Amino acid sequence: GENVEQHPSTLSVQEGDSAVIKCTYSDSASNYFPWYKQELGKRPQLIIDIRSNVGEKKDQRIAVTLNKTAKHFSLHITETQPEDSAVYFCAASLGGTYKYIFGTGTRLKVLA
Amino acid sequence: DSGVTQTPKHLITATGQRVTLRCSPRSGDLSVYWYQQSLDQGLQFLIQYYNGEERAKGNILERFSAQQFPDLHSELNLSSLELGDSALYFCASSVRQGSTDTQYFGPGTRLTVL
Repeated sequence: GENVEQHPSTLSVQEGDSAVIKCTYSDSASNYFPWYKQELGKRPQLIIDIRSNVGEKKDQRIAVTLNKTAKHFSLHITETQPEDSAVYFCAASLGGTYKYIFGTGTRLKVLA
Repeated sequence: DSGVTQTPKHLITATGQRVTLRCSPRSGDLSVYWYQQSLDQGLQFLIQYYNGEERAKGNILERFSAQQFPDLHSELNLSSLELGDSALYFCASSVRQGSTDTQYFGPGTRLTVL
């Protein structure tokens, strides 16, 4: 079946450095790619999303890039802060449906 | 606050029992999705309803069932509970944007089966 691979599973960075999380999807019909941030015991919160007709999207310190040919998309966080520490999930829409396939998550730790 | 509400916040019950989790979507959203998240695990899609009708099914056990009512709230019923059913259960509702659907998650119900 269709799947989304997410790497790395854990990531530690120093405060102020950048963090990059990468996802690869298998369904060539996927056309929507949201990213969610989940703090411990809390709900996943949408932080940024990108549609297949766009290659890059930026919102302050967060950016997402999409390479449709390679079926890759990535989350970039610049100038990381301790409050960025959380688990980040990527997702890809499943073609022909409104379902998402989620990646397995990346635990980001920003060290002060 | 996403506008999606879930009750109860916490639920503690025993093996073999049956529970019902409730979700109210954001105003105007017609779709409701249910997910299960076990400890330190990812989000497993269970089932989706759209305007009262089942639209998609994921890895939902036969012991689990759901429905969406005319007022668009949804309930997830879990029966013959096992220890392994202990998890966070999230619902999400979606707003259609072109050909895509953005899902907004509720705060979740933490189920503990003893």
